[in-house]
Amino acid sequence: EAGVAQSPRYKIIEKRQSVAFWCNPISGHATLYWYQQILGQGPKLLIQFQNNGVVDDSQLPKDRFSAERLKGVDSTLKIQPAKLEDSAVYLCASSLASGQGYGYTFGSGTRLTVV
Amino acid sequence: QKEVEQNSGPLSVPEGAIASLNCTYSDRGSQSFFWYRQYSGKSPELIMSIYSNGDKEDGRFTAQLNKASQYVSLLIRDSQPSDSATYLCAVQSGGSYIPTFGRGTSLIVHP
Repeated sequence: EAGVAQSPRYKIIEKRQSVAFWCNPISGHATLYWYQQILGQGPKLLIQFQNNGVVDDSQLPKDRFSAERLKGVDSTLKIQPAKLEDSAVYLCASSLASGQGYGYTFGSGTRLTVV
Repeated sequence: QKEVEQNSGPLSVPEGAIASLNCTYSDRGSQSFFWYRQYSGKSPELIMSIYSNGDKEDGRFTAQLNKASQYVSLLIRDSQPSDSATYLCAVQSGGSYIPTFGRGTSLIVHP
């Protein structure tokens, strides 16, 4: 099966600019997650979607970050305006369902550098 | 605040040895436990999951869980240089289906 697709792979922007990331999960996976991974740290959840509804966005900095999942498939994550501390790898993951025991499949990630 | 603690390492072992990676967690209600491998510059890849106390073996990998001690470990037998990576522990609690990740342990297997 095809994996989780993400684009772009790399992005360099200046602070206060905006940026958007795209994710296409594995076909049939109802649950989609966006994670932020800062160098040397484990992934930190930003937002979880179940189909096209938001399940958990408690750790999403809503003053600058937004995400949507139209039609319950693809998703986009946007940062506007970006700050230096947003430099990280943004990982999209999907799973068949949300529940105990369901592991994730991660995409290759987007490495964001804010200068 | 649910916490998952891992020694960041690096853990250095010779080729052919057993590598032992450890993880402790704070939430006693945790139900599911995962180990992910992350090569430098790559995304995490699920390699093991464990849900019950005891050992679970899959090839050269063995996951060990002790819920009373809130401890989960990953043993890699006959370590190979290709096992050199960061190993992330992820813990899923009973109240939330979203795993909390540790910061990972860097493993270096030298020839």
